[in-house]
Amino acid sequence: AQKVTQAQTEISVVEKEDVTLDCVYETRDTTYYLFWYKQPPSGELVFLIRRNSFDEQNEISGRYSWNFQKSTSSFNFTITASQVVDSAVYFCALSEDIIQGAQKLVFGQGTRLTINP
Amino acid sequence: ETGVTQTPRHLVMGMTNKKSLKCEQHLGHNAMYWYKQSAKKPLELMFVYNFKEQTENNSVPSRFSPECPNSSHLFLHLHTLQPEDSALYLCASSQDDEREGYLDTQYFGPGTRLTVL
Repeated sequence: AQKVTQAQTEISVVEKEDVTLDCVYETRDTTYYLFWYKQPPSGELVFLIRRNSFDEQNEISGRYSWNFQKSTSSFNFTITASQVVDSAVYFCALSEDIIQGAQKLVFGQGTRLTINP
Repeated sequence: ETGVTQTPRHLVMGMTNKKSLKCEQHLGHNAMYWYKQSAKKPLELMFVYNFKEQTENNSVPSRFSPECPNSSHLFLHLHTLQPEDSALYLCASSQDDEREGYLDTQYFGPGTRLTVL
């Protein structure tokens, strides 16, 4: 069965510090997708990034960067120069195979990130 | 209009009540999903609809009854719920293609915070 593990339940840092959120996954599929979502206090899950299993290039988007390493089954997320607005729960997710045209996402437990002023 | 809307945002109901949650997506997607997020468990997929047909029922109790009248609307009918059903219920949509291996990103609504007394 597919599984996503986010070992860090809570992280608290001071503003402007860099912080890395870890994500480790398990799958037997050769083709899969990985995602990161942000959930602010309002509750909505906000899509951040999607990565195809064949694309191991790291990605940077502003202060956000992602490190995908197939060899260690990890897809870590780094926020550089953190800001208070980054405070949220962050979820890593893995797609299962498409079944009858619909995908299934398996989520990790989430990491609650608090950025203190 | 935001991509995926959900109503109501908050709902308190007794165990004998019957209520419905509504989800509407304005993204032109063909697949819709219900997820449950409770304090003790990670996000759990409940139901998947693709092209208005239910393709997945993730062992959800019959007191939860989904309805998908068209590809833009999704309902979750609730009856005789239990206090342990109190949770955040999230709706999502995606454009899933019959081409093998194609996956689109799931976009989430803000959720309905349900409390069962």
